[in-house]
Amino acid sequence: EVQLEESGGGLVQPGRSLRLSCAASGFSFDDYAMYWVRQGPGKGLEWVSGISWNSGSMVYGDSVKGRFTISRDNAKNSLYLQMNSLRAEDTALYYCVKDRLVGHTSGIFENWGQGTLVTVSS
Amino acid sequence: EIVLTQSPGTLSLSPGERATLSCRASQSVSNNYLAWYQQKPGQAPRLLIYGASSRATGIPDRFSGSGSGTDFTLTISRLEPEDFAVYYCQPYGSSYEMWTFGQGTKVEIK
Repeated sequence: EVQLEESGGGLVQPGRSLRLSCAASGFSFDDYAMYWVRQGPGKGLEWVSGISWNSGSMVYGDSVKGRFTISRDNAKNSLYLQMNSLRAEDTALYYCVKDRLVGHTSGIFENWGQGTLVTVSS
Repeated sequence: EIVLTQSPGTLSLSPGERATLSCRASQSVSNNYLAWYQQKPGQAPRLLIYGASSRATGIPDRFSGSGSGTDFTLTISRLEPEDFAVYYCQPYGSSYEMWTFGQGTKVEIK
């Protein structure tokens, strides 16, 4: 069974940094692209960032480009999101998500974790 | 930038009724690479449909997707109590700029 467990969320002041982690199990982590998708309080879904299976390609949504960095450690079956220069509008539940297709960065968000909450406030 | 418009915003129906949800894209979705997700309160989203009409693993056959180009539809043939939720559409594919979710349609109990 695919399991994705996010951690690292919390309350942080505007302008500060935070690093999210996602521990993956139940599948061959190094075969799949991975993503971060967020959901603001009472709002819809917003794709944040994605990384290919081999870290050869990283992509970002316009709202986080230049501030967030996605990375992965296939030896540790882990996904990360380094978030710098945080803003109030980054407040959201951040989901770790697995692609549906082996070896492709397709953007089909097949498996989701339960999310970790990031609150940016002074 | 692609914009997805889902309608209606809220659909009020009774169990056993048929639900028809619409997703319209501001530009053509290549290869009908469109997915639908279901989100229940307090839960993570779940992939229902990909490729506009293919059900994801474990999804009941009362869920069906159709459409092409810019107009897509998710149909729930007979609503079960567990189907009352918010539904999102999302194009996908090699162009990550397309990975934008619609604003969602809430299916609520009438």
